[in-house]
Amino acid sequence: EAQVTQNPRYLITVTGKKLTVTCSQNMNHEYMSWYRQDPGLGLRQIYYSMNVEVTDKGDVPEGYKVSRKEKRNFPLILESPSPNQTSLYFCASTHARGTTQEQFFGPGTRLTVL
Amino acid sequence: AQSVSQHNHHVILSEAASLELGCNYSYGGTVNLFWYVQYPGQHLQLLLKYFSGDPLVKGIKGFEAEFIKSKFSFNLRKPSVQWSDTAEYFCAVIMDSNYQLIWGAGTKLIIKP
Repeated sequence: EAQVTQNPRYLITVTGKKLTVTCSQNMNHEYMSWYRQDPGLGLRQIYYSMNVEVTDKGDVPEGYKVSRKEKRNFPLILESPSPNQTSLYFCASTHARGTTQEQFFGPGTRLTVL
Repeated sequence: AQSVSQHNHHVILSEAASLELGCNYSYGGTVNLFWYVQYPGQHLQLLLKYFSGDPLVKGIKGFEAEFIKSKFSFNLRKPSVQWSDTAEYFCAVIMDSNYQLIWGAGTKLIIKP
């Protein structure tokens, strides 16, 4: 089944404790992206990647890192989480050379930073 | 700056009422338009999309949307809503085919049984 998976789905952590949220897709998509969703603000893009070893900042990159060592994986790293990073996070992917550009979303990771 | 506006943050309707959710974007070039839905506790799913051709687009679950280029709008409609349509609806736009989705703030739709 074609899908985007994220782990963990739920995470409660404390300020300053490094964490990684994994994202994996099995559709051979070139483009991957991370969003955070906050009430009243919609989705805001954190980072995106057009292909392996190519990453770029989105609208709200501060406090986050990403890597794209393999095509299927795009982990989101919070080196020193803070309470303002409490949010719902979504990973998405699409074919960079496709004509439809429909993005496929993972199930989301609800992060709470105390 | 490029932006997407959804005018209603919360909408409450009774079952069988007609629905129209507004979406406007600010960009004069080529756009690809999407409506996504997020049911409670679930991830985002694509409802429908417009790339070219007929500006009236039909999606899943009886939803449709009309692209009116002169008004920079892509409003979502459904003639008769059901309780199961309770969800949050997001309009999103790709401008100039650069893969960057720009999102509206979302509209929470509550259908009263």
